[in-house]
Amino acid sequence: NAGVMQNPRHLVRRRGQEARLRCSPMKGHSHVYWYRQLPEEGLKFMVYLQKENIIDESGMPKERFSAEFPKEGPSILRIQQVVRGDSAAYFCASSPFASGSLNTGELFFGEGSRLTVL
Amino acid sequence: GNSVTQMEGPVTLSEEAFLTINCTYTATGYPSLFWYVQYPGEGLQLLLKATKADDKGSNKGFEATYRKETTSFHLEKGSVQVSDSAVYFCALYSSASKIIFGSGTRLSIRP
Repeated sequence: NAGVMQNPRHLVRRRGQEARLRCSPMKGHSHVYWYRQLPEEGLKFMVYLQKENIIDESGMPKERFSAEFPKEGPSILRIQQVVRGDSAAYFCASSPFASGSLNTGELFFGEGSRLTVL
Repeated sequence: GNSVTQMEGPVTLSEEAFLTINCTYTATGYPSLFWYVQYPGEGLQLLLKATKADDKGSNKGFEATYRKETTSFHLEKGSVQVSDSAVYFCALYSSASKIIFGSGTRLSIRP
C-alpha cells in the first residue's frame, strides 16, 4: 500500500522559472495539505485542498503560488517566477478525513520535494 | 489563534541519557496533540498522540502526557539511542483549524 508520493524529490530552478511539485495522496485519501519547511525552521501550513476544491489557502503567498487537486491525478503546487527565497522543502500530507470532522487529525506525509533556486 | 511553542534546539545528549523536550500550546476548545519525528532526508512520521486531557501517548519508548492544566505535552524517553537522532515536532489539531506545528527540536545523540 503506497504512501504519499511526491515528485520530484529534488528540483533546481533558476530565478524567474516555474516550479511544479506533485503529490499523490495515499489510496482512499481525498484531503491534501501542503507545508513548507525553510532551512532550520519548522513547518508552515500553506494550503488545504479536497478534490477540485481549495478549502483553506490562508498560508499561501498571494502572488506567484497556486495549488490544485483535480478530480483525476495528483495535487500540484505551482510556483511561478521563482526567487531565491522560495528555496525550501515542500511537504505534502494527506488524510482520509476532513478537517473539522470527528477525527484526531493525523496526517500522513510524503518525503518532500526540495526546491533549490539558483 | 492556536499555537504551539516547543523547546529550542539543538539538544545533544549521550546515549542512554534521559530526554525531555518541552511543548506548550494555546488553543480554543479541546485539541488533539501530537509528536511527529523527521529523520534526515525524510518526511514527518507520527510518533505518538493524545486526544484528551490526561491521556498518555507512547511509542518506541517515548511518552507524552496531555496536561490541560499546564497546557503542555512534553516528550520524554528514559534512555535514548543514537537512532533517535532526528527533528521532533510538537503539533496540535482542533476542529476549528488545520494541524499546527511547532518549530521543531533537533536532537543529536552521541555514542
